[in-house]
Amino acid sequence: DGGITQSPKYLFRKEGQNVTLSCEQNLNHDAMYWYRQDPGQGLRLIYYSQIVNDFQKGDIAEGYSVSREKKESFPLTVTSAQKNPTAFYLCASSWTGGNTGELFFGEGSRLTVL
Amino acid sequence: QQQVKQSPQSLIVQKGGISIINCAYENTAFDYFPWYQQFPGKGPALLIAIRPDVSEKKEGRFTISFNKSAKQFSLHIMDSQPGDSATYFCAARGTSRGQNFVFGPGTRLSVLP
Repeated sequence: DGGITQSPKYLFRKEGQNVTLSCEQNLNHDAMYWYRQDPGQGLRLIYYSQIVNDFQKGDIAEGYSVSREKKESFPLTVTSAQKNPTAFYLCASSWTGGNTGELFFGEGSRLTVL
Repeated sequence: QQQVKQSPQSLIVQKGGISIINCAYENTAFDYFPWYQQFPGKGPALLIAIRPDVSEKKEGRFTISFNKSAKQFSLHIMDSQPGDSATYFCAARGTSRGQNFVFGPGTRLSVLP
């Protein structure tokens, strides 16, 4: 089945630790995205990548880092510099061409900082 | 920063009733307006979408109404069912900077049996 796989589903972290969230897609999409979801704030864009070895900051990139070494993979690292990392993180992908650029989402990773 | 406003924040509807969620945007540089449905613990999924050259789009019980001059669009769910209980997000796709999406804050819909 084609889709987006995020792991882990739940993650706990101590303050001062970096953590990496995995995102893999087998939809052959060029573009991949990371969003952060907080209650009552919708989805906010952290980073996006439209092609391998290239990525751009979104609206809330501070304290996060990404890499795009393979088309299928777009891992997100939440660094210790992120002041309030507890959130639900969503990875998405889309075609870069076409008429819609519909976003396909994974099932999310919930990060809790203890 | 481009914004999409959404209301109400939460909505309770009786089974069989009509659910209406409204969104408004502040920038004309959008070319695609989707609605996403999200169940608890899951990622959002595309429900229905519209382009600004169309005033209405209907798919089954779901209808988008679009008012370009007012910069407003709404989702109507006819004959609402308990299975429709979810959070709904409106969004708008920008025409610049990689055509990224801006999302509304979401509406939590509860349909009572």
